[in-house]
Amino acid sequence: KAGVTQTPRYLIKTRGQQVTLSCSPISGHRSVSWYQQTPGQGLQFLFEYFSETQRNKGNFPGRFSGRQFSNSRSEMNVSTLELGDSALYLCASSGPGSSNSPLHFGNGTRLTVT
Amino acid sequence: QQQVKQSPQSLIVQKGGISIINCAYENTAFDYFPWYQQFPGKGPALLIAIRPDVSEKKEGRFTISFNKSAKQFSLHIMDSQPGDSATYFCAASKAGGFKTIFGAGTRLFVKA
Repeated sequence: KAGVTQTPRYLIKTRGQQVTLSCSPISGHRSVSWYQQTPGQGLQFLFEYFSETQRNKGNFPGRFSGRQFSNSRSEMNVSTLELGDSALYLCASSGPGSSNSPLHFGNGTRLTVT
Repeated sequence: QQQVKQSPQSLIVQKGGISIINCAYENTAFDYFPWYQQFPGKGPALLIAIRPDVSEKKEGRFTISFNKSAKQFSLHIMDSQPGDSATYFCAASKAGGFKTIFGAGTRLFVKA
């Protein structure tokens, strides 16, 4: 079974630009979560989607948004990029049914904002 | 109340020794406590997990000890090996919460 795939692996953007990150979950997984990982803040929850509906959202500004498609693939968008948005963005999918099951992470997208 | 506090921040252990990482939580509604292992350039991967109805779970060299009354849980790595050198995250979640809260992480280095 293929794992969680995130594209692109690396991105360099300029302050003020916007960026879209993509995530393909494990086949059959309908829940997709996004996390921001930085050295200082660890893993911070961004949002979780299930069947195209956002079920939970973390404490991030409205510049951070996401969506999920009918095939469970997900995208997250960050508008008006700031230097502090530089981070590793991780996507994770989890198994069908339970809302309390292990997360399967992709290898992330490393975003650098200059 | 949503926090999971993890210690130590970093840990150096001799090969063959025991590595111990501790976590504490506040929200008694949490009912799933996984540990994740992350190598450089990779996403975190599930190592072992426990639910609060048991006090200990062992898988190979990895053991979770869980103290419900103290709201603490810990990861023990027996016979630590250089290949165990990684960052370890404890985490917690609750049914219907639709999110997992992570500890700050522990960087483990096992000296050969």
